[in-house]
Amino acid sequence: DTAVSQTPKYLVTQMGNDKSIKCEQNLGHDTMYWYKQDSKKFLKIMFSYNNKELIINETVPNRFSPKSPDKAHLNLHINSLELGDSAVYFCASSPVGAGELFFGEGSRLTVL
Amino acid sequence: GENVEQHPSTLSVQEGDSAVIKCTYSDSASNYFPWYKQELGKRPQLIIDIRSNVGEKKDQRIAVTLNKTAKHFSLHITETQPEDSAVYFCAAAVSARQLTFGSGTQLTVLP
Repeated sequence: DTAVSQTPKYLVTQMGNDKSIKCEQNLGHDTMYWYKQDSKKFLKIMFSYNNKELIINETVPNRFSPKSPDKAHLNLHINSLELGDSAVYFCASSPVGAGELFFGEGSRLTVL
Repeated sequence: GENVEQHPSTLSVQEGDSAVIKCTYSDSASNYFPWYKQELGKRPQLIIDIRSNVGEKKDQRIAVTLNKTAKHFSLHITETQPEDSAVYFCAAAVSARQLTFGSGTQLTVLP
């Protein structure tokens, strides 16, 4: 049973296209996140949702739009993809107050 | 906001030797300091964490120390093994919901 699952695992697309990544967690956690890991391995938070409510929105282009239909799902939609968007995007979840992040397997996005 | 610096960026050790990775943080309000290990092509996973009311914590071959006055914390791995080879990230947080990660350390354990 995968705790935090993301789809797709790999995504190759052309500049200018729109794409979505989906994330689901079956841990019963209240908080979910999107992190971006660039080619230098740097992990940077993009968004955080608590019980479907946006609580963290770092400086991210407005081409990135998260959506949380319920507390077990957090999707990421990216419009007008650019070369610099190429990265691995990790979804994560955590229980309230406990601190540990449980990451998904990552979605490797390549923009050509 | 919080800023976390991590050193070194790469570290090679002989199997059986010890490895030490150091991090400093800027926000004195930070009170939670986890360490994550990311093997090649895999997800980051928590290996150990420490809270600000504790100075040191140990779990088998890994230990973390925290100096709140100096605002730095370190990961110590003893008796390193090839399977310890990975990227290690430190992080700091005022609240559990917003971790700021260090830039990572690529540890290579040479047989």
